[in-house]
Amino acid sequence: QVHLQQWGAGLLKPAETLSLTCDVNDGTFNDYYWNWLRQAPGKRLEWIGDIVYTGGTNSNPSLQSRVTISIDTSRKQISLQLRSVTVADTAVYYCARGRGPHNKWGQGTLVTVTA
Amino acid sequence: DIVMTQSPDSLAVSLGERATINCKSSQAVLYNSDNRNYLAWYQQKPGQPPKLLISWASTRESGVPDRFSGSGSGTDFTLTISSLQAEDVTVYYCQQYFTTPYTFGQGTRLEIK
Repeated sequence: QVHLQQWGAGLLKPAETLSLTCDVNDGTFNDYYWNWLRQAPGKRLEWIGDIVYTGGTNSNPSLQSRVTISIDTSRKQISLQLRSVTVADTAVYYCARGRGPHNKWGQGTLVTVTA
Repeated sequence: DIVMTQSPDSLAVSLGERATINCKSSQAVLYNSDNRNYLAWYQQKPGQPPKLLISWASTRESGVPDRFSGSGSGTDFTLTISSLQAEDVTVYYCQQYFTTPYTFGQGTRLEIK
């Protein structure tokens, strides 16, 4: 049974860097694209980007200049860094499996950006 | 970016009745080379991540009750719940994965009448 467990700091100040990690308990880790998405309060889901075991990534142009997605295949983990956060980055962040559609999701991490 | 627009924003249906949610994409999400629509439907309950219900516009995920069905092609899609159950009352989203950035509809909240 695939399980995605994510963690990271939940409270940030403006201009800091958001950092999240997602651990994938999945023997087929190398077979899938792994994604980061977010959902701000009252807003629709937003795809941040994805990564595959080779290290190839895609990211949303709206966030591309601030986003780094990385992968550790030996640990079966993916990570997200979002630089220079603002209050507009307050959201629940999810990791998810699959190059759309996303058929497995982490539990979500609420990240709040406040001065 | 492809803009996904759902209608209605909220919908009240009696238990046991049919619920229909629509999703329209700003450009076609049908890939001609494989004749597949790159469209998914998700269900999201409060405090939980989205759950994939349907992919490729009409393929139900394993374990999803057969009262859920998806239809449509090109730019217009529909999620139908044939007989609403109490546990179906929540928010539903469509998503296109035809091209990045993948984009979602604004969500439709389903309520009991």
